[in-house]
Amino acid sequence: NAGVTQTPKFRVLKTGQSMTLLCAQDMNHEYMYWYRQDPGMGLRLIHYSVGEGTTAKGEVPDGYNVSRLKKQNFLLGLESAAPSQTSVYLCASAAAGGLDEQFFGPGTRLTVL
Amino acid sequence: GENVEQHPSTLSVQEGDSAVIKCTYSDSASNYFPWYKQELGKGPQLIIDIRSNVGEKKDQRIAVTLNKTAKHFSLHITETQPEDSAVYFCAATPRSSASKIIFGSGTRLSIRP
Repeated sequence: NAGVTQTPKFRVLKTGQSMTLLCAQDMNHEYMYWYRQDPGMGLRLIHYSVGEGTTAKGEVPDGYNVSRLKKQNFLLGLESAAPSQTSVYLCASAAAGGLDEQFFGPGTRLTVL
Repeated sequence: GENVEQHPSTLSVQEGDSAVIKCTYSDSASNYFPWYKQELGKGPQLIIDIRSNVGEKKDQRIAVTLNKTAKHFSLHITETQPEDSAVYFCAATPRSSASKIIFGSGTRLSIRP
């Protein structure tokens, strides 16, 4: 069991470039989440999914898009990166949504120049 | 919506002493309160949680207390050890949306030898 994996681990982008972050889980969880982690601001929810083919907005969705075509994968896209999107991006999955343990990946550190 | 405030933002204690981290929440109907520990370079990991029908829960050196009337909950770590050094996050699940949880801003705990 690999748990939750994230690809890539590090990435540097120039302003205006696009990229996709991949999250994969092998626990057959229905719920998946994308957070961004910034110093002093905790974990802020970007988008989440309650099952294959569904997505929903979190606290800070602007500038990001997501897709959940397969139950085990949750993709986060940045169409036109901005310096304000420099952050650590964490993916998580859960069996019971917000009522039980969320399992996190190791994170992707993204720098936008 | 739900708001979770966490204090202090940094905490330094002597090895062997106790550490206490406090959180308050705004949604009186919240019913699930997990605590996560994040070590350097890793994703957060659940260490203990408590539900609204319980006032206190212990697991070896860690304990969580919940005061529903005052809308606050606390993490207590006794006999601190060097491996307790990490960032700790509290969280709460709003009753209005059980699909997600809201995190506090985090506490960086350092254990002095």
